Amino acid sequence: EAQVTQNPRYLITVTGKKLTVTCSQNMNHEYMSWYRQDPGLGLRQIYYSMNVEVTDKGDVPEGYKVSRKEKRNFPLILESPSPNQTSLYFCASSAKQGVNEKLFFGSGTQLSVL
Amino acid sequence: AQKITQTQPGMFVQEKEAVTLDCTYDTSDPSYGLFWYKQPSSGEMIFLIYQGSYDQQNATEGRYSLNFQKARKSANLVISASQLGDSAMYFCAMRERNGQNFVFGPGTRLSVLP
Repeated sequence: EAQVTQNPRYLITVTGKKLTVTCSQNMNHEYMSWYRQDPGLGLRQIYYSMNVEVTDKGDVPEGYKVSRKEKRNFPLILESPSPNQTSLYFCASSAKQGVNEKLFFGSGTQLSVL
Repeated sequence: AQKITQTQPGMFVQEKEAVTLDCTYDTSDPSYGLFWYKQPSSGEMIFLIYQGSYDQQNATEGRYSLNFQKARKSANLVISASQLGDSAMYFCAMRERNGQNFVFGPGTRLSVLP
């Protein structure tokens, strides 16, 4: 089954404790992206990647890191989480070529930073 | 500059009636795709419908149709015969041929009243 798998689904952590949210897709997609969703602010892009070893900042990259060492994986790293990073996070992927290629979303990660 | 605008933060509609959710976009790329996603209270992102900039006809998918007015740069989602299960957040998104990144609007929360 074609899917984007995000883990964990829920995460509670404390300020300053490094964490990684994993994202994996099985569709051989070149494009992958991370979003955060906050009430009233919609989906804001954090980072995106057009292919292996190619990443670009989105609208709100501060406080986050990503890597794309393999095509299928695109982990989101919070080196020193802060309470303002409490949010719902989505990973998504798509085929690179073609404006008609839709975005497939993971099921989301609800992160709480205390 | 905001590329996708959804001017209705919240909408109400009576069950069984039709509702239109507005989306306007800004691009100079002649080739682009427009997408609508639904996010129910459970949180997952569900793809609804796609419209290509070169498509001659408005897209339809069951009770969903897209009122595409290219000259006005609008791509409004029309839901016919609203159901209680249509209560959700709805996001409009665009993908341009140049760049290939996805951009999202802020969303519209639709509430269907019994």
